[in-house]
Amino acid sequence: GQQVMQIPQYQHVQEGEDFTTYCNSSTTLSNIQWYKQRPGGHPVFLIQLVKSGEVKKQKRLTFQFGEAKKNSSLHITATQTTDVGTYFCAGGYGGSQGNLIFGKGTKLSVKP
Amino acid sequence: GAVVSQHPSWVICKSGTSVKIECRSLDFQATTMFWYRQFPKQSLMLMATSNEGSKATYEQGVEKDKFLINHASLTLSTLTVTSAHPEDSSFYICSARDHWTPYNEQFFGPGTRLTVL
Repeated sequence: GQQVMQIPQYQHVQEGEDFTTYCNSSTTLSNIQWYKQRPGGHPVFLIQLVKSGEVKKQKRLTFQFGEAKKNSSLHITATQTTDVGTYFCAGGYGGSQGNLIFGKGTKLSVKP
Repeated sequence: GAVVSQHPSWVICKSGTSVKIECRSLDFQATTMFWYRQFPKQSLMLMATSNEGSKATYEQGVEKDKFLINHASLTLSTLTVTSAHPEDSSFYICSARDHWTPYNEQFFGPGTRLTVL
């Protein structure tokens, strides 16, 4: 079945360092979405990528979608303590109901 | 906009009882709602997809007779955990799709922490 693998599971960085999390799907995706869940909170939508090779930026966050539409990455430049949380990728496979398969998430901690 | 609420936020019940969790889209109509289960330090596991006015679609391995889902209106879906047991203790999160947004994103509720004694 469809699976979305996400690495690393945990990442501890010093404030100001960069951070990257990677997602890989076993099959071609129609789209990929990224969510952030703060400690004690619920997932909040960050962005959706649809096109092969697409790159989108949100301030210090850069999202990429692979050419084969099977992998994606989220890169944060110069992390801040406000970036703390778990980042999930979620793969869409084109179902009419918009089901998503979530990766296990990468928990980011930032040391001030 | 696009706010989803859940009620209750936490519940403690005795083994064998049933618990109902409500998920509401407050400012949009959600033809599709999703129910997830999240174990500590783990990802979101999709349990079922709920469409207004029709039967829910359950993921493989999820007992539909144990987790009853009803999506009676465009703003409300309910999940009932029947004859709850301690292994059902978990964090249950719902999400809803707003078909009028430019993206196909899901808006998540704050979750319900269920503890079965």
